[in-house]
Amino acid sequence: DAKTTQPNSMESNEEEPVHLPCNHSTISGTDYIHWYRQLPSQGPEYVIHGLTSNVNNRMASLAIAEDRKSSTLILHRATLRDAAVYYCILRDRGSTLGRLYFGRGTQLTVWP
Amino acid sequence: NAGVMQNPRHLVRRRGQEARLRCSPMKGHSHVYWYRQLPEEGLKFMVYLQKENIIDESGMPKERFSAEFPKEGPSILRIQQVVRGDSAAYFCASSTNSGRSGADTQYFGPGTRLTVL
Repeated sequence: DAKTTQPNSMESNEEEPVHLPCNHSTISGTDYIHWYRQLPSQGPEYVIHGLTSNVNNRMASLAIAEDRKSSTLILHRATLRDAAVYYCILRDRGSTLGRLYFGRGTQLTVWP
Repeated sequence: NAGVMQNPRHLVRRRGQEARLRCSPMKGHSHVYWYRQLPEEGLKFMVYLQKENIIDESGMPKERFSAEFPKEGPSILRIQQVVRGDSAAYFCASSTNSGRSGADTQYFGPGTRLTVL
């Protein structure tokens, strides 16, 4: 699985935007960029994914660099409930076998 | 549409006993994955199953661990002769397809927290 690099931790204040970066300099042309998050004592939760274009959904936005070597997950207005570990994961189209590789992720702290 | 269900949520076993963890995937999902999260560590893939078939068990310890996903009923992760090092959170996920498109999503259950005394 192609490797991603994320900061260990980030902090934000409630109701402020949060930009969570991810570097994936060895990304291949067929890799999708996925984001999951894990709230304390819960299972991981899908957030968003994209291939080349920026993506928006009700939870977040995903901004993908033009060269695709980095991406940013954007939470437009952080809430206390967004405090979690955020994982940036590459999924190769056509590769094996479905597994997700979770690195260390970014621990997001949201202050009231 | 009910999400992925896992039971029990908490399981306590003594060393040498067997642990059985169950996972019911989301309705319509035929692909199941098991992950383990050791204390203070990240999630690690263990095994990927489709109905009645093990597709990838490369993350499964070679001994004492087994998994199945029968035609009827939930997927079962079985740990024989548990040791203290097996204490962890075990998460199950399901999806509608194999992930070969790269775009599929895995939906996770709440996990089973196994404690070995």
